[in-house]
Amino acid sequence: KNQVEQSPQSLIILEGKNCTLQCNYTVSPFSNLRWYKQDTGRGPVSLTIMTFSENTKSNGRYTATLDADTKQSSLHITASQLSDSASYICVVSPRYYGGATNKLIFGTGTLLAVQP
Amino acid sequence: GAGVSQSPSNKVTEKGKDVELRCDPISGHTALYWYRQSLGQGLEFLIYFQGNSAPDKSGLPSDRFSAERTGGSVSTLTIQRTQQEDSAVYLCASSSSGTSSYNEQFFGPGTRLTVL
Repeated sequence: KNQVEQSPQSLIILEGKNCTLQCNYTVSPFSNLRWYKQDTGRGPVSLTIMTFSENTKSNGRYTATLDADTKQSSLHITASQLSDSASYICVVSPRYYGGATNKLIFGTGTLLAVQP
Repeated sequence: GAGVSQSPSNKVTEKGKDVELRCDPISGHTALYWYRQSLGQGLEFLIYFQGNSAPDKSGLPSDRFSAERTGGSVSTLTIQRTQQEDSAVYLCASSSSGTSSYNEQFFGPGTRLTVL
């Protein structure tokens, strides 16, 4: 079972509208949760990173929330633009001890299409 | 360099052939990661290099996969006797340090490998 699950798998919205993407995770304990944006044919680019003690983090029109009790995160995009069309990936960094590798656990992503 | 670069961007090979994929990390970054992104799947950790320490190879799927990092900079991922299930996008990432899970990983554009 994937430890990081995202919904919806894909989403189509009109330019200017808002949308919210969901992420549920089972990774425990965890150190931080990240949202990445991946344009087609490119590598992922970090949007936000939140530690387990943070509830929200904004980056321009992107706002991420985190509820560590329910193990849920969301990414809210405000006033969408055509350039927001991409895959949005939720990534959890487990908390390791003893200097172990910082392996990230990736969700499968939500594919967002913004139409004019 | 300005970012992580990978070459080639695309590679088509025949089943059974060996392939080498190259990654140039951001200058000064001590940590380097290789991931595999298969269609419809989340990024899968393959291998991690941190400075002069022994690499974490725990994510390599079989002994046909190996990687080197020469001089603490450039890395090469080698896949021997390629199989069709090796077809995927191979992504490289680097970070300024691998010892803090908060450090951002910067991704290259990936190499799309197709095994016929």
